[in-house]
Amino acid sequence: AQTVTQSQPEMSVQEAETVTLSCTYDTSESDYYLFWYKQPPSRQMILVIRQEAYKQQNATENRFSVNFQKAAKSFSLKISDSQLGDAAMYFCAYRATNTGNQFYFGTGTSLTVIP
Amino acid sequence: GAGVSQSPRYKVAKRGQDVALRCDPISGHVSLFWYQQALGQGPEFLTYFQNEAQLDKSGLPSDRFFAERPEGSVSTLKIQRTQQEDSAVYLCASHPLEGDKTQYFGPGTRLLVL
Repeated sequence: AQTVTQSQPEMSVQEAETVTLSCTYDTSESDYYLFWYKQPPSRQMILVIRQEAYKQQNATENRFSVNFQKAAKSFSLKISDSQLGDAAMYFCAYRATNTGNQFYFGTGTSLTVIP
Repeated sequence: GAGVSQSPRYKVAKRGQDVALRCDPISGHVSLFWYQQALGQGPEFLTYFQNEAQLDKSGLPSDRFFAERPEGSVSTLKIQRTQQEDSAVYLCASHPLEGDKTQYFGPGTRLLVL
């Protein structure tokens, strides 16, 4: 079974600084998607960024970028120029392309942004 | 249309009561998922629909849990004879059949069983 591991239960960052959230996963599939979702206290899960495993180029979305290391099965999220609104739980998620449709989530990282 | 909606947002039930949680996916989204999120945990898969067909219910924790999507749009997750361990946030997500594999989540229903 696929597993997703987030080894940092809590992280903090100074406003305007950069922080990296870690995620590793285990799969025997070769084709899959990886996601980072943000869940503020209101509990609405919001997509932050998505990476397709067959693409070598790391995805970027404005201040958010990933470091995707397929061989190491690592998928970290970098948040640059952190803002107060970035404070939330961040979940890493995996979805196989061809076998099933469900997402497998990590246990989350709670990010605090310090003014 | 608008995003995924869920109702009620909060539900308090006495142990042994039946509850029904509703999910209204994004219009046109063929695929619909239910997840259970315990406090401090990531969401865990319960069940998956493609249109009205329930293609995967492997995550349902017991036969007290039942989900349906009779017309391929709105879905209902029913929990019979609720137990305290059923207390969690129940998330619904949807996505179109093709193209974008991103799941779009609703705000969730927080269920508290006393």
